[in-house]
Amino acid sequence: AQSVTQLGSHVSVSEGALVLLRCNYSSSVPPYLFWYVQYPNQGLQLLLKYTTGATLVKGINGFEAEFKKSETSFHLTKPSAHMSDAAEYFCAVSDSGTASKLTFGTGTRLQVTL
Amino acid sequence: DTGVSQNPRHKITKRGQNVTFRCDPISEHNRLYWYRQTLGQGPEFLTYFQNEAQLEKSRLLSDRFSAERPKGSFSTLEIQRTEQGDSAMYLCASSLGGAGNEKLFFGSGTQLSVL
Repeated sequence: AQSVTQLGSHVSVSEGALVLLRCNYSSSVPPYLFWYVQYPNQGLQLLLKYTTGATLVKGINGFEAEFKKSETSFHLTKPSAHMSDAAEYFCAVSDSGTASKLTFGTGTRLQVTL
Repeated sequence: DTGVSQNPRHKITKRGQNVTFRCDPISEHNRLYWYRQTLGQGPEFLTYFQNEAQLEKSRLLSDRFSAERPKGSFSTLEIQRTEQGDSAMYLCASSLGGAGNEKLFFGSGTQLSVL
């Protein structure tokens, strides 16, 4: 069975500050890892994904994440937060066999303050 | 693409009633998924289709739940004899499937409230 743990249900940063959202996963097979973002009253959107290859992946809106197998982590970062980044962020894992069936974490709500 | 469309956006029903939700995926996508999301939780997988075939069902999907995807196009999710615990956001997603096409496109969901 696969699982995802997101540390911190709420994170608050100042505009322009570093964003760091933490995600640790558990998987018995090589994982595929995803970050999705959910804005109010909108569907989830894919920010970025790791399947194979380069462990540092870049996504939309300046976000990136690094797959660290030794730490079973896939933390999401952005160098400089913008007010428009305020949303709920979900980390998710799937296995390569059923790559699109996702197990999501409980989410982290990002607040960006002036 | 026009995106994944879900109807209705909101549904309020009394306990014991049956409800049906509809999902229209992106037209060329052969995979369709249903997820359920409750307050403060991430989406939980319910079931998915490859074309018209329902390939997997979660243990979360009790006998009161049934999903169909006739002709491999739109899908319906029916809940019979609704219970208050069924109150949640029901999300539909679609994808092309296959290697390199792991991205899911989600609809905005149907919010179900069971009174």
